[in-house]
Amino acid sequence: GNSVTQMEGPVTLSEEAFLTINCTYTATGYPSLFWYVQYPGEGLQLLLKATKADDKGSNKGFEATYRKETTSFHLEKGSVQVSDSAVYFCALRYNFNKFYFGSGTKLNVKP
Amino acid sequence: DTEVTQTPKHLVMGMTNKKSLKCEQHMGHRAMYWYKQKAKKPPELMFVYSYEKLSINESVPSRFSPECPNSSLLNLHLHALQPEDSALYLCASSQGRMYGDRGLSDTEAFFGQGTRLTVV
Repeated sequence: GNSVTQMEGPVTLSEEAFLTINCTYTATGYPSLFWYVQYPGEGLQLLLKATKADDKGSNKGFEATYRKETTSFHLEKGSVQVSDSAVYFCALRYNFNKFYFGSGTKLNVKP
Repeated sequence: DTEVTQTPKHLVMGMTNKKSLKCEQHMGHRAMYWYKQKAKKPPELMFVYSYEKLSINESVPSRFSPECPNSSLLNLHLHALQPEDSALYLCASSQGRMYGDRGLSDTEAFFGQGTRLTVV
């Protein structure tokens, strides 16, 4: 079956620190992979995506590389800001099927 | 226009009330979704409509009744809810699969801002 596993949070960092949020997946084929971000009281916003192995998705300084050999899609940012504080969800979709979400990782960035 | 619009943003209803949540998109997406999200949890899929037909029902209680009047609209009718049904209800839409420079791939979902539902 399909599933997504994310690192447990919360993750607390100081401003300008390096961020990594781990995500691994299980899928029966070759899924598309996504990172979504949710700010308090809001819906989910697409942060970045990758549709094929070795693709790198990037947006707003965040990056993630689709690693088929390790079935991973880790989210990274070189220098976080207070405004990056939110909950981050890793997700996959395969063959026009439903989306599978990870449990979410809350990021707190302190000034 | 890449928006999914949900109304109302907030709803308080009694356990004997009947209410509806509405969702609208004008991106030409043919798949639309209802999700339920409890605090500090990921979204849980409730229903999927594909080309205006119900394609997935995740064993949702019958007090939740979805409707897709046309390709741009999705409703969720609520009746005789319980306090534990209080949550953020999210609507989303997506295209199916798209051809890109590396062939066919699955596309992302676009989410609305949600309706914060409180059942009293």
